[in-house]
Amino acid sequence: DGGITQSPKYLFRKEGQNVTLSCEQNLNHDAMYWYRQDPGQGLRLIYYSQIVNDFQKGDIAEGYSVSREKKESFPLTVTSAQKNPTAFYLCASSRSSRALTGANVLTFGAGSRLTVL
Amino acid sequence: RKEVEQDPGPFNVPEGATVAFNCTYSNSASQSFFWYRQDCRKEPKLLMSVYSSGNEDGRFTAQLNRASQYISLLIRDSKLSDSATYLCVVNIRNTDKLIFGTGTRLQVFP
Repeated sequence: DGGITQSPKYLFRKEGQNVTLSCEQNLNHDAMYWYRQDPGQGLRLIYYSQIVNDFQKGDIAEGYSVSREKKESFPLTVTSAQKNPTAFYLCASSRSSRALTGANVLTFGAGSRLTVL
Repeated sequence: RKEVEQDPGPFNVPEGATVAFNCTYSNSASQSFFWYRQDCRKEPKLLMSVYSSGNEDGRFTAQLNRASQYISLLIRDSKLSDSATYLCVVNIRNTDKLIFGTGTRLQVFP
């Protein structure tokens, strides 16, 4: 079955450490996204990529970095510069990033829960 | 003012009840609208898109009011399994991004 796989599901890190969250999709989608979810807040866009080797900052990109070397993969690195990294991180994909309509909607992975100790 | 606003709830309703949620959006360039369902500590999943003429999927009915800039979700004959958070999502014309509401929590009790 096609889908999006995120790993790890749970991650603990010490302050000052970088950590990389994996996101792999086999849906043949062009566009991929990273969101962050905090209690009481809507999902906020960190980075997105419309095509291989290209990505754009979202609303809260500071302290994060991404790469898109393969269509299937869009890893997110949470760097030590991110002031408040404890959150639920969601990766998503869509056929394209244009005209997000009923036929072209976001599909999410199961998420990665990061806790900074 | 938030771009997409929802009543956080919780809405506590008995099984079999009808419940409705509203969601208001502020950007008049909003062009596509969706309802996602999110279970506790899980990822959001698409419940339904919202079309201009309104649309129904079983017990769920979605409506769009462009003049007043809100969308609604009606759930009839509520089931225990409907307990979740319902996210209102809006796409702005000519952008690549979706704007998510904070969600409305529904709790259906026996």
